[in-house]
Amino acid sequence: GAVVSQHPSWVICKSGTSVKIECRSLDFQATTMFWYRQFPKQSLMLMATSNEGSKATYEQGVEKDKFLINHASLTLSTLTVTSAHPEDSSFYICSATPTGAQGDGYTFGSGTRLTVV
Amino acid sequence: GDSVTQMEGPVTLSEEAFLTINCTYTATGYPSLFWYVQYPGEGLQLLLKATKADDKGSNKGFEATYRKETTSFHLEKGSVQVSDSAVYFCALRDTGFQKLVFGTGTRLLVSP
Repeated sequence: GAVVSQHPSWVICKSGTSVKIECRSLDFQATTMFWYRQFPKQSLMLMATSNEGSKATYEQGVEKDKFLINHASLTLSTLTVTSAHPEDSSFYICSATPTGAQGDGYTFGSGTRLTVV
Repeated sequence: GDSVTQMEGPVTLSEEAFLTINCTYTATGYPSLFWYVQYPGEGLQLLLKATKADDKGSNKGFEATYRKETTSFHLEKGSVQVSDSAVYFCALRDTGFQKLVFGTGTRLLVSP
């Protein structure tokens, strides 16, 4: 079945530095990928929709300059948390849907736990 | 806007007990409804879905029926196993939209 690989699974960084998270579709092409953020005991909140070859669409309240998304190929989307601060510590999850898929073909990565110290 | 409300956990059960996890939703259109499961250290996996009113989704002994009149999609299983211990997310996708809207997740702990 479809597999999405997310890397790293966890990362600790110093305040003020930037962190890049990768989301790869391993056995399918994904025109669209989604980035979610999950706080403890809260639901997954959609941050942005990443479209291959074009700018990402950010949800209301998400700082696009803070969370840079690049979707340069049909199998890779990256989320860069710039100038990270402790309040950015969270669990980030990506999902991808095969190009041309109808309905509900969402495959999720295993998530990245970011801790900013 | 669209939203999903599910019961808080954790839900703690003994093996072979009956499981119900409640989920209700609000949506402007005619959403598709989903249950996803997240096992420890893994990504979310689609457990079951229903795309219209009165549809019943089922998989691995789990069932949920799309109830438009009560805007609900409760997850049930007749006899849980230890291996069912995970976090369960209810979600919807509204008509014409790609994105999923998730509930807060409910952790299920099944003891032998």
